[in-house]
Amino acid sequence: KAGVTQTPRYLIKTRGQQVTLSCSPISGHRSVSWYQQTPGQGLQFLFEYFSETQRNKGNFPGRFSGRQFSNSRSEMNVSTLELGDSALYLCASSFDYSNQPQHFGDGTRLSIL
Amino acid sequence: AQTVTQSQPEMSVQEAETVTLSCTYDTSESDYYLFWYKQPPSRQMILVIRQEAYKQQNATENRFSVNFQKAAKSFSLKISDSQLGDAAMYFCAYRSPSAGSYQLTFGKGTKLSVIP
Repeated sequence: KAGVTQTPRYLIKTRGQQVTLSCSPISGHRSVSWYQQTPGQGLQFLFEYFSETQRNKGNFPGRFSGRQFSNSRSEMNVSTLELGDSALYLCASSFDYSNQPQHFGDGTRLSIL
Repeated sequence: AQTVTQSQPEMSVQEAETVTLSCTYDTSESDYYLFWYKQPPSRQMILVIRQEAYKQQNATENRFSVNFQKAAKSFSLKISDSQLGDAAMYFCAYRSPSAGSYQLTFGKGTKLSVIP
């Protein structure tokens, strides 16, 4: 069974650009969450989607947005990139039962120059 | 809001020995889930073990076990017979089932080194 797939694995952008990251969940999983990981702030929750609807959102500016498609694949977009957006972005998926854990992808390493 | 604290930024253990990683959390909820995730240099977060707060019995998964003290809000991870492959960052995480969300709140992590 394939795991959570995130593309691309690495990305280099410059300030002011925008970027789109993709996440394909494990087959059958309808919940997808995104996290930002930095050395200073650790792992922070960005948002969560379920059945194409945003179910929960973390404390990030509006430059960070996401969406989920009917096949449960999800994308997150960051506009007007800032140096502080450099991070590892992790996607996680889960079955929609409260006792089920989240399974993570390998992440996308985003570097802002 | 819930918070998770891992007070040991780094730890080391001799191969084949036992090590315990600490985690405390703050919550006003009575029902919740706790997890330990491992993140090796390859970056992927791997679930090590989970505990449901309503279960008094401590969870175990092969060489990994937890000491869950609900009243003390403590959730430590014990790794027995440590192996070189156990070297990684370990994150303790909390999830509330009441919010209808899978959002995880993570601690800052503990970097575990295994000495051959």
